[in-house]
Amino acid sequence: GAVVSQHPSWVICKSGTSVKIECRSLDFQATTMFWYRQFPKQSLMLMATSNEGSKATYEQGVEKDKFLINHASLTLSTLTVTSAHPEDSSFYICSARGDRESEAFFGQGTRLTVV
Amino acid sequence: GQQVMQIPQYQHVQEGEDFTTYCNSSTTLSNIQWYKQRPGGHPVFLIQLVKSGEVKKQKRLTFQFGEAKKNSSLHITATQTTDVGTYFCAGRVYGSARQLTFGSGTQLTVLP
Repeated sequence: GAVVSQHPSWVICKSGTSVKIECRSLDFQATTMFWYRQFPKQSLMLMATSNEGSKATYEQGVEKDKFLINHASLTLSTLTVTSAHPEDSSFYICSARGDRESEAFFGQGTRLTVV
Repeated sequence: GQQVMQIPQYQHVQEGEDFTTYCNSSTTLSNIQWYKQRPGGHPVFLIQLVKSGEVKKQKRLTFQFGEAKKNSSLHITATQTTDVGTYFCAGRVYGSARQLTFGSGTQLTVLP
């Protein structure tokens, strides 16, 4: 399958700082990228959907000013957690899809710990 | 909104026993996908079902999509310790450009 690289795989940051997570499709053009959040032993919760060159569509309850998503190219999307707080600690996973009907491939995930 | 329910939440089996997880959607789905997530890992795509009543097999894994396209199941025959992980179903609603809605997952433990 296609390869999606997510970086960093883990990060620890202080409260109040911002953290940027990158999601790259390495061998295909990702028209659409998705960002998920997963709490321990829970399912994946979609945070937002981003299409290259346009603003991300956020799910209900997700603060767009706190979770900034940029999808500037067909191979890169970034999620920035701004002014992070301990409750933002979670596992963040991106997935990328080529055309609308194809499957989405997941990145390795980023474990964020805010102290 | 669309909901995808998955049961059971946890399942412990002895190695060699069979295992089944069930997925039910509140709305008709255009397709359903199954993923496996190992502890500490990320979801890995297993299969996609599109047709009503479709049955697909991958070695010891059998996937079914209901006639009404609102439910699905994953059955593992003769489980092995390598089957350990959480299995998620994820459904897509007709006409939706959005990503999938994931079920809550079934965490499988296989005892040697």
